[in-house]
Amino acid sequence: DAGVIQSPRHEVTEMGQEVTLRCKPISGHNSLFWYRQTMMRGLELLIYFNNNVPIDDSGMPEDRFSAKMPNASFSTLKIQPSEPRDSAVYFCASRKDGRNQPQHFGDGTRLSIL
Amino acid sequence: GEDVEQSLFLSVREGDSSVINCTYTDSSSTYLYWYKQEPGAGLQLLTYIFSNMDMKQDQRLTVLLNKKDKHLSLRIADTQTGDSAIYFCAESQSNYQLIWGAGTKLIIKP
Repeated sequence: DAGVIQSPRHEVTEMGQEVTLRCKPISGHNSLFWYRQTMMRGLELLIYFNNNVPIDDSGMPEDRFSAKMPNASFSTLKIQPSEPRDSAVYFCASRKDGRNQPQHFGDGTRLSIL
Repeated sequence: GEDVEQSLFLSVREGDSSVINCTYTDSSSTYLYWYKQEPGAGLQLLTYIFSNMDMKQDQRLTVLLNKKDKHLSLRIADTQTGDSAIYFCAESQSNYQLIWGAGTKLIIKP
């Protein structure tokens, strides 16, 4: 079984540029999460989708961040315009609905904004 | 509010047992999880325990839950160099939300 697939693995870009991170969840999983991990703040939940619908976006830092899930097998997280403080590792995770169902993580995208 | 606390570092000798501790605050949590993160990788689920259990064992891993004290521990027997990683404790807060600890970096000394 393929796990959660994220691309790109690494992204280095200049501030002001648009950044798009991509995620393919595990087939059959109907919940998808975007997280940001930094040394200072640890792991933060940015947004949660269920059945392709955004349910909780309270963790999205500001309007520069947006996320979409056009279908069950694809999601994007976009930052426009990017700033140096957005530098972090961004993880996507997916899970099946159910009380004891764990979240499965991708390998992350390491984003550096210069 | 809800909070999960872990020590930031643990250093053990190869072959010894490692015990990573975690305290949580939400007594209504139903599931508690341990995840492992190796350098450059995502978080990998190691094990989880339901809140009505005291202990769960899976090969070299033993999870102990003390609900009264809201204390969770992960014991790794016969620690190997491949166990070097950051270990995250997480409690389930709602149907989907997990509250994460800051992670404990396990350092293995030869």
